[in-house]
Amino acid sequence: QVQLQESGPGLVKPSQTLSLTCTVSGGSISSGGYYWSWIRQHPGKGLEWIGYIYYSGSTYYNPSLKSRVTISVDTSKNQFSLKLSSVTAADTAVYYCLRSYGSGSPFDYWGQGTLVTVSS
Amino acid sequence: QSALTQPASVSGSPGQSITISCTGTSSDVGGYNYVSWYQQHPGKAPKLMIYDVSNRPSGVPDRFSGSKSGNTASLTISGLQAEDEADYYCSSYTSSSPWVFGGGTKLTVL
Repeated sequence: QVQLQESGPGLVKPSQTLSLTCTVSGGSISSGGYYWSWIRQHPGKGLEWIGYIYYSGSTYYNPSLKSRVTISVDTSKNQFSLKLSSVTAADTAVYYCLRSYGSGSPFDYWGQGTLVTVSS
Repeated sequence: QSALTQPASVSGSPGQSITISCTGTSSDVGGYNYVSWYQQHPGKAPKLMIYDVSNRPSGVPDRFSGSKSGNTASLTISGLQAEDEADYYCSSYTSSSPWVFGGGTKLTVL
């Protein structure tokens, strides 16, 4: 059973960089065939896809966030990470890491989500 | 503003059937058979309920079904149960991005 777990600071100051890591267990990122994404959910709002990374390191970002987003992978630790720069209060959200078996394919495994608050 | 349009809320009584719509364009819902539906209970991560318009993952009750007509996809829940009360989100592949979501629909079981 694949499990994903987000970790990182729950509080980030405005203008700083939000950094989160997703640890995958029960399956290897480097086995290929899957896309590893980040999605966020603003409080009481809908879902917004942020971007994905493939085990090879290739990435694809939501055009609306592309200028501020970096997603990276560390196959040796079976982790992938999100960095979102120049954050504002509008970036306050629950951030989920998740897996799909293709670009545009459904998300079959989700992390539990982690709330990140942007505040001074 | 979400890319896909869903009703903010729907309601039904136990045992009844309800349908949630998800309206997009020919660049997303209407152009591809890659519509998914997710169920989210408060404080929990979303759960995949329907994929590729009408397919159910293993373990999802057959009370849940999906369909599509033109630019509108639909999720139907028959034999409504109290545990079905949750938020539901649709998602679609698009010509400009792998995934876009609807704004979500709150289902209330009366």
